Amino acid sequence: DSGVTQTPKHLITATGQRVTLRCSPRSGDLSVYWYQQSLDQGLQFLIQYYNGEERAKGNILERFSAQQFPDLHSELNLSSLELGDSALYFCASSPRRGAETQYFGPGTRLLVL
Amino acid sequence: SQKIEQNSEALNIQEGKTATLTCNYTNYSPAYLQWYRQDPGRGPVFLLLIRENEKEKRKERLKVTFDTTLKQSLFHITASQPADSATYLCALDLNSGYSTLTFGKGTMLLVSP
Repeated sequence: DSGVTQTPKHLITATGQRVTLRCSPRSGDLSVYWYQQSLDQGLQFLIQYYNGEERAKGNILERFSAQQFPDLHSELNLSSLELGDSALYFCASSPRRGAETQYFGPGTRLLVL
Repeated sequence: SQKIEQNSEALNIQEGKTATLTCNYTNYSPAYLQWYRQDPGRGPVFLLLIRENEKEKRKERLKVTFDTTLKQSLFHITASQPADSATYLCALDLNSGYSTLTFGKGTMLLVSP
């Protein structure tokens, strides 16, 4: 158990809908990262937050947004969902902005029908 | 463009043998390289980190080498066990100081009894 929690574990929704994925980092960790993993693309970095502020952006679509709250939990919002958004979404956390090791949560499996 | 390559074909070995996985990269000058283990449907788990000024690092049955001239890392599991069967991902830091990791697609290792 990494100490990172994600909810929900599974999510089934329809195209065009909007969903919110939630992540609670390990106790004391200030950085949160979001990744998308699909079979053909592998693990893709989406976005990083550090202590409530956006720090780095990766391959995140404009339809997706995220935020980190004062209690350090984070939410990833996915809107106007398409079939291709079906994937595993992982959250990871690390203690500091420049910390090297990341601790991953169990993921949320999203299926868009 | 930046690229990380891992053998996409599964590596099948017999229990007790040494497994060797390869990670090649181009257009990077990473400060460090990491290896993670991922079991099906679960989040990656950190295994080892090796820095650019280190040639080799060991942890129990695991050994990682890092050749910055060849732009290659080798990951060895000695005395392999069926429980070592998993997908192994290598990851490089994209922006030093922000820990935005770029992952390879991983190599699946299958250890048969």
